[in-house]
Amino acid sequence: DQQVKQNSPSLSVQEGRISILNCDYTNSMFDYFLWYKKYPAEGPTFLISISSIKDKNEDGRFTVFLNKSAKHLSLHIVPSQPGDSAVYFCAAGDSGSARQLTFGSGTQLTVLP
Amino acid sequence: DAGITQSPRYKITETGRQVTLMCHQTWSHSYMFWYRQDLGHGLRLIYYSAAADITDKGEVPDGYVVSRSKTENFPLTLESATRSQTSVYFCASSERSGGDYSYEQYFGPGTRLTVT
Repeated sequence: DQQVKQNSPSLSVQEGRISILNCDYTNSMFDYFLWYKKYPAEGPTFLISISSIKDKNEDGRFTVFLNKSAKHLSLHIVPSQPGDSAVYFCAAGDSGSARQLTFGSGTQLTVLP
Repeated sequence: DAGITQSPRYKITETGRQVTLMCHQTWSHSYMFWYRQDLGHGLRLIYYSAAADITDKGEVPDGYVVSRSKTENFPLTLESATRSQTSVYFCASSERSGGDYSYEQYFGPGTRLTVT
């Protein structure tokens, strides 16, 4: 049973528009959430995170929203750029579990010029 | 080189062979992790370590062995490789930042393993 789900395997967006990537989780013990970006033949790189005590966190063009009651988080990228084309993974963790992360299956974002 | 490195980057081996994937980090992070990435499954945790000589199983540990005699190294061994272990393997490290929610892990470049 997947505890972290990314239901959209792919997403295409026009350059300059907003990209919205979604993630759902089932484990109520998760209290921190992260987004990673991955290019082909490279390791994932950390993008942005949010703890369960917040509902929004911004870093430049990237904003993560957390809706705890719906067990849903989303990553907004505004404006989208062609260099943002990559696979995006959401991950969740329980602060009582030795810093383990549970990852979703990823969403391939393609930003069209 | 500073950071986290993995070797080899590519490996082809035969069914039944033993193979070891190496992971080295220069940050002296306490926590280290091994993941495998497969299509449709994202990243799945194989084993993790909270410190030297402390290791524990993750979600998919069967067929794998780890050790951590030094903080900076965390090798992953497939004792008798099977075709189902064909995958991309990522090592990661993390460190506790006192009092905050900085739980990010830093990943190596990965090892693509093919078992024939």
